[in-house]
Amino acid sequence: SQQGEEDPQALSIQEGENATMNCSYKTSINNLQWYRQNSGRGLVHLILIRSNEREKHSGRLRVTLDTSKKSSSLLITASRAADTASYFCAPSNDYKLSFGAGTTVTVRA
Amino acid sequence: KAGVTQTPRYLIKTRGQQVTLSCSPISGHRSVSWYQQTPGQGLQFLFEYFSETQRNKGNFPGRFSGRQFSNSRSEMNVSTLELGDSALYLCASSLGGQITEAFFGQGTRLTVV
Repeated sequence: SQQGEEDPQALSIQEGENATMNCSYKTSINNLQWYRQNSGRGLVHLILIRSNEREKHSGRLRVTLDTSKKSSSLLITASRAADTASYFCAPSNDYKLSFGAGTTVTVRA
Repeated sequence: KAGVTQTPRYLIKTRGQQVTLSCSPISGHRSVSWYQQTPGQGLQFLFEYFSETQRNKGNFPGRFSGRQFSNSRSEMNVSTLELGDSALYLCASSLGGQITEAFFGQGTRLTVV
């Protein structure tokens, strides 16, 4: 299965600090996407990185992708209370997203 | 523009019944995917439709089925409900290419009693 696996499972940080989470997957992909979910609600798309890209930025988010190691990382800089959520990586291939279990991020005021 | 709309938002059914969930994608999107989210199994892919054709299917029993209409709206059906089918069912729409972001609805929370 190409299902993503996030690490760590949970992360607690102070407001203003950076948060980094990692994702590993098993098979080849077209792209890898990151999503955020608040309290069991719908998923919000954060960023998509193609398999031929190594790094991508969007606002306070930075994503890296290493296809040789089948891994990706998501960095959230200068975290805010509103960043408290679960974050999922989703390796994608064949019109399907394969989500991992997610990283729960808590930002303390 | 309007987002992905899923109806109903909440549903309570009895074991053995069947249920139909509906999803209206973002205007112009031709791909609709369905996912099941449970605390134990996480987010699991059910199936994906594009222009009324199923292009991919996850590892779920045949009790789970879906379809897509010519206006891209999609329905999924679960027959002979089991307690383990209790979950949040999420629908996602996209333009439909191999590399496109998916936009999710708020989900339908199904409880089987």
